[in-house]
Amino acid sequence: AQSVTQLGSHVSVSEGALVLLRCNYSSSVPPYLFWYVQYPNQGLQLLLKYTTGATLVKGINGFEAEFKKSETSFHLTKPSAHMSDAAEYFCAVSNYGGSQGNLIFGKGTKLSVKP
Amino acid sequence: KAGVTQTPRYLIKTRGQQVTLSCSPISGHRSVSWYQQTPGQGLQFLFEYFSETQRNKGNFPGRFSGRQFSNSRSEMNVSTLELGDSALYLCASSTAPGQSQPQHFGDGTRLSIL
Repeated sequence: AQSVTQLGSHVSVSEGALVLLRCNYSSSVPPYLFWYVQYPNQGLQLLLKYTTGATLVKGINGFEAEFKKSETSFHLTKPSAHMSDAAEYFCAVSNYGGSQGNLIFGKGTKLSVKP
Repeated sequence: KAGVTQTPRYLIKTRGQQVTLSCSPISGHRSVSWYQQTPGQGLQFLFEYFSETQRNKGNFPGRFSGRQFSNSRSEMNVSTLELGDSALYLCASSTAPGQSQPQHFGDGTRLSIL
């Protein structure tokens, strides 16, 4: 069965510091992986996705993630945090429909950026 | 290209009432999924529609129902509202069903039950 674990429900960084949000997945088949961001009072916006091919995936707003099969991880990084990055981030793994639908989400990580 | 549009953005209802939420997907997208988001449970899948047919259904009671029209627009209905139904309801569309297709979300309808 597919599942996603996001380590750390809250992460706080200083402006200009490295952002690292952790995501580990469990999947019985080669997964498709996604990162979404949610700003207050808004829906989820797709940051990046891994389907096949290159394991380092670049997304919008300077974010990137690396698929590591041996570690079953898909951590999200950004070299230098900006105040506008403060939001909640969700990692998701593909699923084969059924009662959980096509995407299984982690619980989310709330990112705070200090000036 | 217009994004996913959900109406209304905010709703206040009382227990026992019913409510209908609407979702217009991105033009050309034929698959629509609905999610409930709460602080305690996170994002929970409600159902998915494609070509006017429900493909998948989450573990929610029968009070939660939905449908999709021939133009791909979708509605979800919740009857006999309970306090626990207070949540952000998100709609997402994709070009077609399938686990590789990224889903594009609307801004949601925030439902408050008094």
